[in-house]
Amino acid sequence: GENVEQHPSTLSVQEGDSAVIKCTYSDSASNYFPWYKQELGKRPQLIIDIRSNVGEKKDQRIAVTLNKTAKHFSLHITETQPEDSAVYFCAGPLGDDKIIFGKGTRLHILP
Amino acid sequence: NAGVTQTPKFRILKIGQSMTLQCAQDMNHNYMYWYRQDPGMGLKLIYYSVGAGITDKGEVPNGYNVSRSTTEDFPLRLELAAPSQTSVYFCASSEAGLQFFGPGTRLTVV
Repeated sequence: GENVEQHPSTLSVQEGDSAVIKCTYSDSASNYFPWYKQELGKRPQLIIDIRSNVGEKKDQRIAVTLNKTAKHFSLHITETQPEDSAVYFCAGPLGDDKIIFGKGTRLHILP
Repeated sequence: NAGVTQTPKFRILKIGQSMTLQCAQDMNHNYMYWYRQDPGMGLKLIYYSVGAGITDKGEVPNGYNVSRSTTEDFPLRLELAAPSQTSVYFCASSEAGLQFFGPGTRLTVV
């Protein structure tokens, strides 16, 4: 059925290195691709999003890339810092109304 | 703007009890959602609403009910609470796909 697949489920990177998280989606009508960050005990918060009319968007150390042909979008974090440790979720629409989240990626930044 | 508010923050229920989780938003968003998040897991959609008077089931609706009598409020009702409903519940509203989450309600059923 329609869903959003997110990989990897856990990712450990050395502080200062880059991290990449990927999501694939099945609904070819999807046109909005957000990424959320959830720190321990807190609510998810939007960190970056992209719409289907562009292929890449950057905001300081984070970027999102979109490949509509392959139906995947990725979150890139460069020069990782300890405060980047969190769980990251991608999300995708199902039809016009539902929004379904990926299972999440737990990112550990190693000192 | 207060954004999305949820009450209570914490609640302990006994098996078989019922309760209503409250959610309100002051952004005039038509779309509202209820998710549950089990420890260490992702967000699962329980119910959603595209406007006052309209609700629909998500991925895991069993054991829950919702209503949407106004644009602002979207309460979630648990009937006959079960231990499997122990979770953190997040309400969200959205505009053009962008979701705003409430602070969550941590529910324990014992």
